[in-house]
Amino acid sequence: EDKVVQSPLSLVVHEGDTVTLNCSYEVTNFRSLLWYKQEKKAPTFLFMLTSSGIEKKSGRLSSILDKKELSSILNITATQTGDSAIYLCAVGRITSGTYKYIFGTGTRLKVLA
Amino acid sequence: GAVVSQHPSRVICKSGTSVKIECRSLDFQATTMFWYRQFPKQSLMLMATSNEGSKATYEQGVEKDKFLINHASLTLSTLTVTSAHPEDSSFYICSAADGQPQHFGDGTRLSIL
Repeated sequence: EDKVVQSPLSLVVHEGDTVTLNCSYEVTNFRSLLWYKQEKKAPTFLFMLTSSGIEKKSGRLSSILDKKELSSILNITATQTGDSAIYLCAVGRITSGTYKYIFGTGTRLKVLA
Repeated sequence: GAVVSQHPSRVICKSGTSVKIECRSLDFQATTMFWYRQFPKQSLMLMATSNEGSKATYEQGVEKDKFLINHASLTLSTLTVTSAHPEDSSFYICSAADGQPQHFGDGTRLSIL
């Protein structure tokens, strides 16, 4: 059965800390891995990764995919209280010609001032 | 770009009522739309995938007659929860995609009394 597992489930840090969030997957017909940030409402897109070893960066956030290890990490440096959210990892796969996404359980990050 | 509008944002209604939720892609044509359900402190669970002009593909365990999905155009999909009961109370989120990645609406919080 396809699955996406994120760790840790929750994390509390202080402003200025660096955090690393993990996502591992066992998914057939893998096509992509996506990271989203969910605050009060719907998830907002952060990164899409399709190739191993190529880091994607956006400000203080960065992410990389390791297809050999079937995993990805999301790094946040110099955390701010505004980074507090649930971070979701989703894996895209093709099933019967249709693109679908399987979501992990998410990591709940809380950044204290 | 890539804005998805979901309406209404919140619905409170009596048991037995049917509720329609709309999902619109505002600035792009969505070949595929997805409907998810999210329980408190849990991840997104895919309910169904719909492609414009064809029948939706439902995930295992999701009742087709209960959750009616219509994808009438490249910018609009609707989810109708028929004869809703308290156990249908949840956060429903749509997403739209033209290739990758998918972009989410703000979600609809449905409360059935």
